[in-house]
Amino acid sequence: KNQVEQSPQSLIILEGKNCTLQCNYTVSPFSNLRWYKQDTGRGPVSLTIMTFSENTKSNGRYTATLDADTKQSSLHITASQLSDSASYICVVSAVENTGFQKLVFGTGTRLLVSP
Amino acid sequence: GAGVSQSPSNKVTEKGKDVELRCDPISGHTALYWYRQRLGQGLEFLIYFQGNSAPDKSGLPSDRFSAERTGESVSTLTIQRTQQEDSAVYLCASSLTGTSYEQYFGPGTRLTVT
Repeated sequence: KNQVEQSPQSLIILEGKNCTLQCNYTVSPFSNLRWYKQDTGRGPVSLTIMTFSENTKSNGRYTATLDADTKQSSLHITASQLSDSASYICVVSAVENTGFQKLVFGTGTRLLVSP
Repeated sequence: GAGVSQSPSNKVTEKGKDVELRCDPISGHTALYWYRQRLGQGLEFLIYFQGNSAPDKSGLPSDRFSAERTGESVSTLTIQRTQQEDSAVYLCASSLTGTSYEQYFGPGTRLTVT
């Protein structure tokens, strides 16, 4: 069964500190992995997309890593800001026989950055 | 340009009533998706439209759920005889074409069934 698990479920950090969010998946056949940021009451916004051959990708203070062998990904946030408070969702794309890439969503990590 | 828009932003309905949710995708995006997000849970895929191809309805949870799309424009998600377990945020997303491309999400419609 295709599944995406994220940890921790929630996290509180002080402004300016770094943090790392984890994503483990059992999705096959794998196509790509995405990290989204979802602010309360808003739709998800893409942070990074990584294919099988990519190990790391950065977007400003966000750096995502991918280990396709162990089926793990992480999202590292550097020098956190209050505006980073949001849910971070890991999404893995599985290619079906029809060619359709079905997205499998994790339940997210809720991050709170406190002053 | 404008992003994906959805209406209404909030909908409260009584159990057993029908509801219609609307999604206006980004102009030029041929692919459109509907998702459901229950409180504290991840997004569940519901249905996918790609151009004039037959939609992928594999995520619809029951025959009370249906969706239509007119060409490559607006889409409506209809829930008939609503149940309390239908309460969730319904998110629409669109992408340039096909599922390999980045999906842009709307703000969602929060549905509450009393």
